[in-house]
Amino acid sequence: AQSVAQPEDQVNVAEGNPLTVKCTYSVSGNPYLFWYVQYPNRGLQFLLKYITGDNLVKGSYGFEAEFNKSQTSFHLKKPSALVSDSALYFCAVRAAGFQKLVFGTGTRLLVSP
Amino acid sequence: SAVISQKPSRDICQRGTSLTIQCQVDSQVTMMFWYRQQPGQSLTLIATANQGSEATYESGFVIDKFPISRPNLTFSTLTVSNMSPEDSSIYLCSVTPGGSTSNTEAFFGQGTRLTVV
Repeated sequence: AQSVAQPEDQVNVAEGNPLTVKCTYSVSGNPYLFWYVQYPNRGLQFLLKYITGDNLVKGSYGFEAEFNKSQTSFHLKKPSALVSDSALYFCAVRAAGFQKLVFGTGTRLLVSP
Repeated sequence: SAVISQKPSRDICQRGTSLTIQCQVDSQVTMMFWYRQQPGQSLTLIATANQGSEATYESGFVIDKFPISRPNLTFSTLTVSNMSPEDSSIYLCSVTPGGSTSNTEAFFGQGTRLTVV
């Protein structure tokens, strides 16, 4: 069975500071990991994914994420937060060979000016 | 990538009635997925819709409550039947273009915000 944990309901950070949104996963076999962002009254937008290769993946809007196999984590990071980054962030996992995408509970990011 | 048009974007419905949500994709896709996002919660997969076959429902979801049509490779509908206030949620359709490889990212429609009164 696949599962994703996002331990923080909300992350608060000041504009210009680095941000981290945490994600851990559980899956049988190789994981395919994804981050999505949801702005109010909008659908989900794809940010980045880890499939294989380099553990540090770069995505849209300056976001990056680091895959750590030993810690089964895939934390989302950004060196310098913007107020416009304030949104709801979802981590998701799919086991290799399967179609079902399992989402975490989401983390609300609030960037203050 | 894929562009997904989902409608209606929102609706307020009376309990006991049904609402059909439409999802149109700008390219042909094998599978279309329907999710529910209850207020303040994560996304839960309702069912997977393949063209030409019955939809596959996840545990806790049944065809009588959420009938799905998939008449061609670019279109699907989800009906929420005999609605109650507990059905108030955002409903999203999703596709994974480029085939059925599991390493492909999913794309989502804008969602349908349903309120049942």
